[in-house]
Amino acid sequence: DAMVIQNPRYQVTQFGKPVTLSCSQTLNHNVMYWYQQKSSQAPKLLFHYYDKDFNNEADTPDNFQSRRPNTSFCFLDIRSPGLGDAAMYLCATRQTGFTYNEQFFGPGTRLTVL
Amino acid sequence: EDQVTQSPEALRLQEGESSSLNCSYTVSGLRGLFWYRQDPGKGPEFLFTLYSAGEEKEKERLKATLTKKESFLHITAPKPEDSATYLCAVQANSGYALNFGKGTSLLVTP
Repeated sequence: DAMVIQNPRYQVTQFGKPVTLSCSQTLNHNVMYWYQQKSSQAPKLLFHYYDKDFNNEADTPDNFQSRRPNTSFCFLDIRSPGLGDAAMYLCATRQTGFTYNEQFFGPGTRLTVL
Repeated sequence: EDQVTQSPEALRLQEGESSSLNCSYTVSGLRGLFWYRQDPGKGPEFLFTLYSAGEEKEKERLKATLTKKESFLHITAPKPEDSATYLCAVQANSGYALNFGKGTSLLVTP
């Protein structure tokens, strides 16, 4: 089945220790998104890639960066995690050029910062 | 600025007790309104996309409707397995992002 895969599902890191979250997709979609979702809150867009073009949301902290080495993979790097960065991180994909526009989400990575 | 407001924040229903969830929105040119279901600790699962006022879509016990200012997710004769958080999101013509509401947490008891 075509899908969006996130690894790891659970990540524990220490305050200030860099961490990388991974997303891969078998849908061959050209747009990939990273969202941050804190408890009982709406998912908040951090950035997205339209093909190779990176688009950062204005209020995304500099501490968050992303890489997309190819169509299938996208990474979220948190350079110096703080306690406030503990959240669920969601990856999503979408294919442009069709009448439908829905985004398909992965299962998420739950990040804990100690 | 695009805004999405969902109500109620939480809803408790008895099995079989039908109800509706509301999503009010303001957006500068609606490209699409989306409903997702999210189970605890999981990513959102796509349910419906609505594009224009008057449009309706159904899936099992769920029916989504759209007006120019709001969308409703009607749940008919819910079962305990329908318990989840239901998220509404809008996409404007001008952008690629989804702007989500905070969701309605639904609990259906036997």
